[in-house]
Amino acid sequence: DAGVIQSPRHEVTEMGQEVTLRCKPISGHDYLFWYRQTMMRGLELLIYFNNNVPIDDSGMPEDRFSAKMPNASFSTLKIQPSEPRDSAVYFCASSATGTGGEKLFFGSGTQLSVL
Amino acid sequence: GQQLNQSPQSMFIQEGEDVSMNCTSSSIFNTWLWYKQEPGEGPVLLIALYKAGELTSNGRLTAQFGITRKDSFLNISASIPSDVGIYFCAGQGSGGYQKVTFGTGTKLQVIP
Repeated sequence: DAGVIQSPRHEVTEMGQEVTLRCKPISGHDYLFWYRQTMMRGLELLIYFNNNVPIDDSGMPEDRFSAKMPNASFSTLKIQPSEPRDSAVYFCASSATGTGGEKLFFGSGTQLSVL
Repeated sequence: GQQLNQSPQSMFIQEGEDVSMNCTSSSIFNTWLWYKQEPGEGPVLLIALYKAGELTSNGRLTAQFGITRKDSFLNISASIPSDVGIYFCAGQGSGGYQKVTFGTGTKLQVIP
């Protein structure tokens, strides 16, 4: 069974450009999470969805960040406009209520560099 | 907000040695989890703990849910080179679905 799939693995962009990160959760999982990892702040939860509905977006840093989950098998995290301080590794994770919603399965991440 | 502090921040050990690390919280958690992250990958779940005082093993790894519910411990016995990585604790509160909060991480390096 495929795990959580993220794309792209690496993204280099210039300040001011729009960035879109993509995630395909594990089939059958009803929770989806977006985390950001930096040396300074560690793993921070940005937003999570349950059954495609955003539940808590209190971790989204600014209005420049937005996330959508149009269906159970796809989610995007968009940054517009991007800034150098957005450089980080962005992880998507999913979990299933029936088998322990607290057991998160992570993708391999997207390394974002904003120049 | 909730904070999870892990110690030590990093450690170098000799292959074959045992390792201990811990995690403390300013809040009570109902679930404690331990993850391992290898370079270039996302964290992978190692052990989940659900009850104060619980002791759970996964191969050479043993984790404990502290009785105060504000701490947890992870031990690795007879370390091997592939144990290298960053170990994260994570906690989840109670009352419906509560988001999982991650600790600051312990970076482990094993010298062959």
